[in-house]
Amino acid sequence: RKEVEQDPGPFNVPEGATVAFNCTYSNSASQSFFWYRQDCRKEPKLLMSVYSSGNEDGRFTAQLNRASQYISLLIRDSKLSDSATYLCVVRGYGQNFVFGPGTRLSVLP
Amino acid sequence: DGGITQSPKYLFRKEGQNVTLSCEQNLNHDAMYWYRQDPGQGLRLIYYSQIVNDFQKGDIAEGYSVSREKKESFPLTVTSAQKNPTAFYLCASSTTSGRDYEQFFGPGTRLTVL
Repeated sequence: RKEVEQDPGPFNVPEGATVAFNCTYSNSASQSFFWYRQDCRKEPKLLMSVYSSGNEDGRFTAQLNRASQYISLLIRDSKLSDSATYLCVVRGYGQNFVFGPGTRLSVLP
Repeated sequence: DGGITQSPKYLFRKEGQNVTLSCEQNLNHDAMYWYRQDPGQGLRLIYYSQIVNDFQKGDIAEGYSVSREKKESFPLTVTSAQKNPTAFYLCASSTTSGRDYEQFFGPGTRLTVL
């Protein structure tokens, strides 16, 4: 089993749609959780950290369920500019970052 | 502006040649990392360093070498022993203190073997 798994994608959605990405991780000792966004042929950039209490940043909401070892990202009112690959990233205490394979999103006009 | 720079942006290499990819950061981060990304794939860790003059192998270190003589710099050499070096190479850095720290990435170097 891979350490971090994500929905295989791609997701093709119309503008204005709500889309949800799922991620599971295998290391129960993981302590830090992130969603990164990667545009085509560019470097990954931090979208948001994920906390146990859940957190929201504008149209983006991230949730963490430690018991189920599950992370989610919800994008509301999708924009064309949201088209990218979304990477789930997990880090254990004192350990390195482990990246999921990513889920590609295409928002269609 | 603080950040991470990588050079060159594009690099072409003939088979059998060694090449060195540059990575510099002015974020005062202790840790630096090198990743490889193949088309449609996730990031795979090549090497990382948490302190000057020390580094560790990642998941795919064979055919690569690094050095960490300065805190700001972490160059990666792709040797002729790397059988399939064509890929997108990403350098990252992070602090090592606190609990929830993230990685910052450079713009990447796209290496093509001819």
